[in-house]
Amino acid sequence: AQSVTQPDIHITVSEGASLELRCNYSYGATPYLFWYVQSPGQGLQLLLKYFSGDTLVQGIKGFEAEFKRSQSSFNLRKPSVHWSDAAEYFCAVGANAGNMLTFGGGTRLMVKP
Amino acid sequence: EAGVAQSPRYKIIEKRQSVAFWCNPISGHATLYWYQQILGQGPKLLIQFQNNGVVDDSQLPKDRFSAERLKGVDSTLKIQPAKLEDSAVYLCASSQTSVRHGYTFGSGTRLTVV
Repeated sequence: AQSVTQPDIHITVSEGASLELRCNYSYGATPYLFWYVQSPGQGLQLLLKYFSGDTLVQGIKGFEAEFKRSQSSFNLRKPSVHWSDAAEYFCAVGANAGNMLTFGGGTRLMVKP
Repeated sequence: EAGVAQSPRYKIIEKRQSVAFWCNPISGHATLYWYQQILGQGPKLLIQFQNNGVVDDSQLPKDRFSAERLKGVDSTLKIQPAKLEDSAVYLCASSQTSVRHGYTFGSGTRLTVV
């Protein structure tokens, strides 16, 4: 069965600083990997996804993520954080067979002025 | 394109009462999901439909939860009777045939059981 671990429950960064959110997955084959963002009281919005090809993927809002098979990781990065990026971020993994996504526990990002 | 519609947005009920949530997916999306998100946790899949058939309901507490997707479009999730631990946000999502497209989520229904 697939699983996702987000080791950092909370992260605080200063506005303008760089950001990296960690995600480790467990799955036997090449997974489909996703990052979603959730603002308070809202549903989840897709930031980016990876399923094959270039291991560095670009997403919306200036985010990118890098798939590293050797480390079973799919970390999310942003070079310069804006106050509006404060939200909860979820990494998810999908199996090739079937459509179910398994989510990590999330990382809450706070941005200091 | 219209998003995934859910209603109501909020619901407060007493324990042992019943409640129902409604979801209208994106037009043409064959797959529909209900997720439960308890405060401070990631979403957990309750049930997955492909058209009007159930694909996976292994994590649905069937003694109290039920769901249906009539005509392969709208879906309803019901809880009867509710328990305090059912307090959560219930998210509906839909997708095209393959998971590689990702899901589109609705805004969710926040349920509080008192």
